[in-house]
Amino acid sequence: NAGVTQTPKFRILKIGQSMTLQCTQDMNHNYMYWYRQDPGMGLKLIYYSVGAGITDKGEVPNGYNVSRSTTEDFPLRLELAAPSQTSVYFCASSGPNPRDHSGNTIYFGEGSWLTVV
Amino acid sequence: RKEVEQDPGPFNVPEGATVAFNCTYSNSASQSFFWYRQDCRKEPKLLMSVYSSGNEDGRFTAQLNRASQYISLLIRDSKLSDSATYLCVVIDTGGFKTIFGAGTRLFVKA
Repeated sequence: NAGVTQTPKFRILKIGQSMTLQCTQDMNHNYMYWYRQDPGMGLKLIYYSVGAGITDKGEVPNGYNVSRSTTEDFPLRLELAAPSQTSVYFCASSGPNPRDHSGNTIYFGEGSWLTVV
Repeated sequence: RKEVEQDPGPFNVPEGATVAFNCTYSNSASQSFFWYRQDCRKEPKLLMSVYSSGNEDGRFTAQLNRASQYISLLIRDSKLSDSATYLCVVIDTGGFKTIFGAGTRLFVKA
């Protein structure tokens, strides 16, 4: 019943530090995503991947990098953290809807709360 | 024009009320539609898929109008626990470009 698992759940970074948010899914989904959500705002796509070895930029990729060496894992790296990167980060994967097997349904991890000070 | 637009909200309704949310999308070739629910400080979770024929799940009814390019969500007999943000989600042709609306906040009051 794991679904999409993200770590860490909470992290405080100092300006200029780097870190990696880990994300893994056990549903064998090809599509994976990283979103950020600022307080009171909607989701913004950072990066996405359509399969192992393939990644592409979303609407807000600056300051981040991703890799997809396996189907299961899609880590997000923050280089030189800045206060503007304080946010909640959601990893997600999408695959066939298990209820009716039609179309793709997106499933989210529980989120990673990041504060840059 | 945004790819997916939702009623701005917030909606403040008493318990037992019926409330409806609308969402419009710009790409006529979009293939899949969903409503998600997001509680405060939690991840979005699938509420229901939306089909052209309309579908119902308990107190929730979703409709899709392809000709007018909008989807709707109707909540009957609102409960305090329905208070959340409701996200309209559209998946474009190809099956992976997932577009989220900004969300509509619902507050149900006793």
